[in-house]
Amino acid sequence: NAGVTQTPKFQVLKTGQSMTLQCAQDMNHNSMYWYRQDPGMGLRLIYYSASEGTTDKGEVPNGYNVSRLNKREFSLRLESAAPSQTSVYFCASSELGGVSQPQHFGDGTRLSIL
Amino acid sequence: SQQGEEDPQALSIQEGENATMNCSYKTSINNLQWYRQNSGRGLVHLILIRSNEREKHSGRLRVTLDTSKKSSSLLITASRAADTASYFCATVDKAAGNKLTFGGGTRVLVKP
Repeated sequence: NAGVTQTPKFQVLKTGQSMTLQCAQDMNHNSMYWYRQDPGMGLRLIYYSASEGTTDKGEVPNGYNVSRLNKREFSLRLESAAPSQTSVYFCASSELGGVSQPQHFGDGTRLSIL
Repeated sequence: SQQGEEDPQALSIQEGENATMNCSYKTSINNLQWYRQNSGRGLVHLILIRSNEREKHSGRLRVTLDTSKKSSSLLITASRAADTASYFCATVDKAAGNKLTFGGGTRVLVKP
């Protein structure tokens, strides 16, 4: 029972490099989310996908793009990494939209940008 | 912007004691959720309380919600060392659709 799986777990990038964070869930959930967590702060929503084929911006979408590849997979891309994007990134999923459903989280990707 | 603000930011207690943390929020909500995060791990959902509920229990957890004061509390009774974690409240804003907005969290240390 994997739940939500994120890869990679750790990554170091140089400013200007690009990379894609991968997320997959095996719970047949409709909705998926990308958050970032910075020290001393709660999670902030970057993008979400309410259902397969749809994506919407969250609170802090600038500098990121997403792809809902299929029902299971939701990827987050940094096109030109900046030091301000150093953070821990969490992917989550929920059965329906999160209004009345809990979200299930992966263990995060720790990203450092030099 | 953070919808929920937890208080205190950090809490240190002895095993067996109760731990209480509070969450205040700013807007009308559909529901409020509490999550736990162990060091280096993702968040784990603990409990969801709807806006028309005032109190909810789950094992050693008790959550209250006061919509008139826009506040919630999480009580952990008979704490254990394994309860050491950060605890976050998250609200579903009526105006924000299905998105969760998290507070900054309370770090709880339970000393054996």
